[in-house]
Formats: sequence, C-alpha cells, structure tokens
Amino acid sequence: EAQVTQNPRYLITVTGKKLTVTCSQNMNHEYMSWYRQDPGLGLRQIYYSMNVEVTDKGDVPEGYKVSRKEKRNFPLILESPSPNQTSLYFCASSFGGNTEAFFGQGTRLTVV
Amino acid sequence: GIQVEQSPPDLILQEGANSTLRCNFSDSVNNLQWFHQNPWGQLINLFYIPSGTKQNGRLSATTVATERYSLLYISSSQTTDSGVYFCAVGALYSGGGADGLTFGKGTHLIIQP
Repeated sequence: EAQVTQNPRYLITVTGKKLTVTCSQNMNHEYMSWYRQDPGLGLRQIYYSMNVEVTDKGDVPEGYKVSRKEKRNFPLILESPSPNQTSLYFCASSFGGNTEAFFGQGTRLTVV
Repeated sequence: GIQVEQSPPDLILQEGANSTLRCNFSDSVNNLQWFHQNPWGQLINLFYIPSGTKQNGRLSATTVATERYSLLYISSSQTTDSGVYFCAVGALYSGGGADGLTFGKGTHLIIQP
C-alpha cells in the first residue's frame, strides 16, 4: 500500500531534550516536506527537500533541522525543543513540489 | 506569498443536506488540492484539481483557475463527513519563497443526525 509513515504518533517530551520524528514514504517520490499545524494559524511548511541531499527552508524553519540521506526517508530533528514547538506535525511527499501531495498520519508533539 | 481564503469558516447541516465550500486564491496556481481532516487529525486526500471538474461518489470539485477559485460540493451529507476541509494551493510562481503547498484556514463542517 502506498503510504507516508510517521513515527511516533504521539510524543510528550521535556524542554531541551533532543528528539527526532521519522518519516518514510514508499512511492519513490522525489519531494518531501514537513508542516506544522497550530490552532488559528493553519498548516505551515517547515522544511522541504527536492531530492537526496537537497533541502531548503520553508516558512517556519527556526528550531528545526532535517536531513535527506535516502530518497525514502526525511526525518525532522528538534535539537533543543521548546514549549512553542508543541504542535501537530505532518510529513508529506510527492513527485514534485507542485504535484499531488500525500500526507502521513501526523505526530502530536507536546513539549513541557 | 499567495493567499488562500476559505468560506464559510463553519457550517452546521442536517444529515442528507447538500453543501458547497469555496476556496479563493490570490495568484496563479499549478496545484490545488482538497483535504478532509478527520476527528483523529489525519489529512485525507479528496481531490487533486488544479483545473477542471472531478467527481468521486457524493463529492465533486471544480476549479476555475482563471478566476482563482475552487468549489467543493458535498451531496447527501452523512455524519462521517464531519471534520475540517482544507484547500491547499501551489503557486505557479513561488517568487523565490518556499516551495510547496499553502493552506487555507479550513471550513469546519458538522453534520448532525
């Protein structure tokens, strides 16, 4: 089944403790991206990657890192999480930046 | 960057009713998608429709790119249709800004039995 898989689905962590949210897709898509969803602000893009070893900032990149060492994986790294990064996070993939995008199930992150 | 406005922001209907959700965007696009976010937070793809008309069961969508709007039609609503419906667009010209989708704020739909 074609899908985008994020892990974990739920995570509660403490301020400053490094964490990684994984994202994997099995559709051989070149383009992958991360979004966060916050009440009243909607979904906003954090980072995107157009292919292996090619990443770029989205609209809200501060406090996040990404890497794209393999085509199928695009992890999101929070090296020192803060409470303002509490949010619902989505990974997405597509064949290109402006082709149909498919989203993972979401990761609910709480930073206390 | 491109602006996306959805209307209405909230909609409460009885089961069996029909509804039309609207998405206006401020610039030319080469990608437009409609999503349904279910109560568990998952984003479900409904339509990829940068132009034209598509139908899938009780749902259909029309995008008039030259007039910068898209409509999502839901007929014979069921309680399982409840949730938030998002329109997301990809700008034809990103102007050096971030690539990818820009989302509207969504329409919160409640279908009452």
